[in-house]
Formats: sequence, C-alpha cells, structure tokens
Amino acid sequence: AQKVTQAQTEISVVEKEDVTLDCVYETRDTTYYLFWYKQPPSGELVFLIRRNSFDEQNEISGRYSWNFQKSTSSFNFTITASQVVDSAVYFCALSAVQGNQFYFGTGTSLTVIP
Amino acid sequence: ETGVTQTPRHLVMGMTNKKSLKCEQHLGHNAMYWYKQSAKKPLELMFVYNFKEQTENNSVPSRFSPECPNSSHLFLHLHTLQPEDSALYLCASSQERDFGELFFGEGSRLTVL
Repeated sequence: AQKVTQAQTEISVVEKEDVTLDCVYETRDTTYYLFWYKQPPSGELVFLIRRNSFDEQNEISGRYSWNFQKSTSSFNFTITASQVVDSAVYFCALSAVQGNQFYFGTGTSLTVIP
Repeated sequence: ETGVTQTPRHLVMGMTNKKSLKCEQHLGHNAMYWYKQSAKKPLELMFVYNFKEQTENNSVPSRFSPECPNSSHLFLHLHTLQPEDSALYLCASSQERDFGELFFGEGSRLTVL
C-alpha cells in the first residue's frame, strides 16, 4: 500500500525563522518519486520539487531545501528565513510505479507571521 | 494562457441541479485528472484519463460523470449531488506514464445546498 503522512497539520512561525515540514511515506515499490507542492490561497497547487527513489542527495533551491532519507522513509522540507509569502498549505506526494497514480498527504498549513 | 484552466471558479447548486465543471490544458499533456479536495483530508483522486481513455475510476459515485473529448479538455458532469460533495475540485495534467509533476488548475469551489 502507498501512503503519505504529514503529521503537522498547522504550523505558525515568525518571519525570518526557519521551519521544517515533515513527510513520511510508505511504499513497497523500489522505484518511486516524491514531490512537494505548495497551495497558496488562490487554490492552485504549485510544483516545488521531484525526487526519485535512487537519488538521496539533498537539494537546495534558494531558501528551500529538502532532506530525503530512505532509511527513515522521510522527505522533509525546510524553509530558511521564512517570509509572509511562504504562507500556504504544503503537500507531500508519492508517485507509484503503476500508472499515473499520485498519493498525497493531508497537507501542512504554514502561517508566517510578520 | 495559463497551463491548466478551470471554469467556473465557484459554483453553487441545489441537489436537483445539473451542472458541469470544465478543465482545459495548454501544455500538450496526454494525461488529465480530477481530484477532490475536502478539508482535513488528502487529495482524493477521482478519475484519470490517458490519451482520452479513462484509466482510473476510484469508486466515485455515478452522480459524478467525467468526459474527455480530447487530450486538452476534461469535463466533470454533476447531477443530484449531496451536500457532502461540497469541496474544491482540482483538475491536473501530466505527461503520459511519466513520473513528471502534475500541473494543477486553480480549482472549482463547489457548494451543494
């Protein structure tokens, strides 16, 4: 079975603080992809990153960084020096081998307080 | 033109009405999806179309009827809905059988009275 768990429902931080959003996944597949999406109030989910199961290298993109650890089945997302514009709901997702099937977590609502 | 466009953005309907949601993608993708987003729940995959053929139907009630006339357009026909069907309905597209990312529209916020 495929499953994505985002245990943090809501997080509030003060602007300029760092924040980490947790994502834990379950899959029996050896080949899979992990994603993070951002959903601002407008509703559209915006793609942030894709990581395949064979690449555990951490990635940094500006203030965003991702820590993929297969040993703990986690794919955590850190925002450094958070800004008000980072306020949104963030979804972690898993793409399985079979077909065009994406499994989403329940999302973490991040509020950055000015 | 934005990648994935959904209309209407907001829809209020009674339980006896018939309405349709429309999705159009300008990305040249071959797969299109309908997702339902309810509060505090994961996104629920409803339907998947690959090259205009329906490949997934996740036990969706028959009061939701999808239609995919071509690779660029996807409809969700609604009839005799229930109040619990009120949600944000998101359309997405992706390359066929690729692990590439989904591209989402802004969603249609549906309220059933």
